[in-house]
Amino acid sequence: GENVEQHPSTLSVQEGDSAVIKCTYSDSASNYFPWYKQELGKGPQLIIDIRSNVGEKKDQRIAVTLNKTAKHFSLHITETQPEDSAVYFCAASTGGAQKLVFGQGTRLTINP
Amino acid sequence: DAMVIQNPRYQVTQFGKPVTLSCSQTLNHNVMYWYQQKSSQAPKLLFHYYDKDFNNEADTPDNFQSRRPNTSFCFLDIRSPGLGDAAMYLCATKNRFSYNEQFFGPGTRLTVL
Repeated sequence: GENVEQHPSTLSVQEGDSAVIKCTYSDSASNYFPWYKQELGKGPQLIIDIRSNVGEKKDQRIAVTLNKTAKHFSLHITETQPEDSAVYFCAASTGGAQKLVFGQGTRLTINP
Repeated sequence: DAMVIQNPRYQVTQFGKPVTLSCSQTLNHNVMYWYQQKSSQAPKLLFHYYDKDFNNEADTPDNFQSRRPNTSFCFLDIRSPGLGDAAMYLCATKNRFSYNEQFFGPGTRLTVL
């Protein structure tokens, strides 16, 4: 089955700097890659996703890149703000199974 | 606003005492999921419904059961909670016509005494 590895497990950056979180996946059949943000005591919230027919997607300060050959994808957050502090999860999915396999999570801390 | 609602937000039960968690949705999505999330870990899928078809994960303990009486509601029953079942339980939904986007509820935090 699918296995998703996420790094780093913790990340601390200065406000205004960029943050990058990386994930690798094992199943070449995976074709959907969402990123979720989870704040303390809340459910995960989808912040951006990418499908396997696209190499990059951007939404304001957030971008995701996908390298299908290498089987890895990354989340990029620019101009970080204190409200970006949270736990971020990547995930991978194959359409037929309709199931998400999550990475282990990255605790991002933005230092003012 | 259309949303996924979980009740209660916090549930305390005693070791071995059955407990039921509920999830409702106003999104009219036909797929519903239950995840278990332990502290500092990723969500782990327990089972999901595609319409009324129940799909159990191979490693989900028999202690966990689920019911979906209609499109809007789904229940998670834990027949005999153990200390190891203390966790956040997340409900999620998906529209069959959406590529794979899942919408999560706020979760129910279960404490087992």
